[in-house]
Amino acid sequence: SQTIHQWPATLVQPVGSPLSLECTVEGTSNPNLYWYRQAAGRGLQLLFYSVGIGQISSEVPQNLSASRPQDRQFILSSKKLLLSDSGFYLCAWSFGVLQAKTQYFGPGTRLLVL
Amino acid sequence: GIQVEQSPPDLILQEGANSTLRCNFSDSVNNLQWFHQNPWGQLINLFYIPSGTKQNGRLSATTVATERYSLLYISSSQTTDSGVYFCAVGEDTDKLIFGTGTRLQVFP
Repeated sequence: SQTIHQWPATLVQPVGSPLSLECTVEGTSNPNLYWYRQAAGRGLQLLFYSVGIGQISSEVPQNLSASRPQDRQFILSSKKLLLSDSGFYLCAWSFGVLQAKTQYFGPGTRLLVL
Repeated sequence: GIQVEQSPPDLILQEGANSTLRCNFSDSVNNLQWFHQNPWGQLINLFYIPSGTKQNGRLSATTVATERYSLLYISSSQTTDSGVYFCAVGEDTDKLIFGTGTRLQVFP
């Protein structure tokens, strides 16, 4: 069966510091991978998605970037955090082409920028 | 882009009650999913249902694509059903647009 991991679970960072959040998927090959952000009390906003190694699509212009160095690894980064980057960051995966695109979410990372 | 509206925004039930959650979307979609977010933040996929009807235990969902809405039915609600229910839609099968959710509280 497939499993998705995210770390860290919680992070408190000062404004201006760098960020690296990691997501890995086990038990499947060539998944589609997604990064979402959820502000407090609101819905999810798609930030980035990837259909393969090195292939990243950005949905929202912002202070963040994403990379996919390996098939089942997805990384969310920032060089300098802003207060507005605070939120709940969720990674998700789905099967690749020709299959129903049900999305499965990781446990999330709560980021507080002070 | 596609707009997704969910109603009601909040719902309070006593254990054992039934409920219907609604999701309206503004354009044709090829992808529609329902999720439950528990109080700890974990999102669980309930249904992938771009059209038709599906049932899973006490939960069922119906999407009428031609009329651009989907319904999630919860029967005999339990306290563990509490949380936020999200509808998410997409024009293609890769990207989802989430609604603002329905917050459900079930009391014993």
